Amino acid sequence: DQQVKQNSPSLSVQEGRISILNCDYTNSMFDYFLWYKKYPAEGPTFLISISSIKDKNEDGRFTVFLNKSAKHLSLHIVPSQPGDSAVYFCAAKEYGNKLVFGAGTILRVKS
Amino acid sequence: DTGVSQDPRHKITKRGQNVTFRCDPISEHNRLYWYRQTLGQGPEFLTYFQNEAQLEKSRLLSDRFSAERPKGSFSTLEIQRTEQGDSAMYLCASQRGHVYEQYFGPGTRLTVT
Repeated sequence: DQQVKQNSPSLSVQEGRISILNCDYTNSMFDYFLWYKKYPAEGPTFLISISSIKDKNEDGRFTVFLNKSAKHLSLHIVPSQPGDSAVYFCAAKEYGNKLVFGAGTILRVKS
Repeated sequence: DTGVSQDPRHKITKRGQNVTFRCDPISEHNRLYWYRQTLGQGPEFLTYFQNEAQLEKSRLLSDRFSAERPKGSFSTLEIQRTEQGDSAMYLCASQRGHVYEQYFGPGTRLTVT
């Protein structure tokens, strides 16, 4: 049973526009959420995170929004750049420390 | 480079052989995690250490898998009697104290023929 779902396998966006990646979760015990970016042949790279007590966190071009009532979070990238093309994983931390990952969304930014 | 390192980066082995992977975490990080990733999926938790103590193991970790972290520094993951289903990317991550972000190494890609 997938507790973290990324329902869009891929997303294509024009350079300079906004990229919105979505993530849904089912476990209400998740208390911290993270986004990772992964390039081919590399490990995931931490991007941005948000605590369950907040609804927004911003870091430069990246903003994560959390809607606890809907069990939904999203990552906004503005403006999108070709170097942002990668696989993006949503992850959630439950009690303890292990992370539960979604299956990932492939983002392609076209120049 | 002070990031997480893993060795080897690639391993091809025949079914039934034993393999061992090594992970060196970021030096001040006391927590170390092992994950497995297969094609089209996100990383799946296998086990984690706080210092030298192994605190949690996933049910994915069969009896053929064993992990150690002697002296709370580097860690090894051994798979005995490998099966084709063990083919995957094995990722190591480290974490400092109560900061929740985990930092991943480049992974070891295992192919069992």
